[in-house]
Amino acid sequence: GENVEQHPSTLSVQEGDSAVIKCTYSDSASNYFPWYKQELGKRPQLIIDIRSNVGEKKDQRIAVTLNKTAKHFSLHITETQPEDSAVYFCAASIGNYQLIWGAGTKLIIKP
Amino acid sequence: KAGVTQTPRYLIKTRGQQVTLSCSPISGHRSVSWYQQTPGQGLQFLFEYFSETQRNKGNFPGRFSGRQFSNSRSEMNVSTLELGDSALYLCASSFGTEKETQYFGPGTRLLVL
Repeated sequence: GENVEQHPSTLSVQEGDSAVIKCTYSDSASNYFPWYKQELGKRPQLIIDIRSNVGEKKDQRIAVTLNKTAKHFSLHITETQPEDSAVYFCAASIGNYQLIWGAGTKLIIKP
Repeated sequence: KAGVTQTPRYLIKTRGQQVTLSCSPISGHRSVSWYQQTPGQGLQFLFEYFSETQRNKGNFPGRFSGRQFSNSRSEMNVSTLELGDSALYLCASSFGTEKETQYFGPGTRLLVL
């Protein structure tokens, strides 16, 4: 079946450094790729998304890049801060209304 | 406006019992999706309801079922509970159009003993 692989499962970076999380999807028809952030004990919230007609999207310190040929997309966080510590989930659209999710990356920001 | 709410927030059941979870979406949202979240497994899609009809279904056994009411509130039922059903169950609502943000509820944490 269709799947999304997400790496790494845990990422530890020094405060102020950059963090990169990568996802690979299997369905070549996928055309919508959101990223959600889930802080400890809280609900997942959308932080950024990208559609297949663009290769990159930025929002302040976060950016997402998409390589349709290789079927992978990545989340980039620059100048990391303690509040960036959370679990990040990538997802890819399956059909028109369904998402298939990666297993999550726990991002740890070291002071 | 009020966010997505789920009740109850915590549940303890024993094997073989059944359980019903409830999700109230954001006002105006017609789509409700249900997910099972376990450590290391991410978000596993259960099913999605739109306008009282199941529009999408994940790969879960028939013990997992759901329904949606005319006011868009949704319920999820799990029959004959197994130990492996212990998880956080999240629902998410949206307007139901393509490629849109899903808004998650706080989840119901189910423990099966």
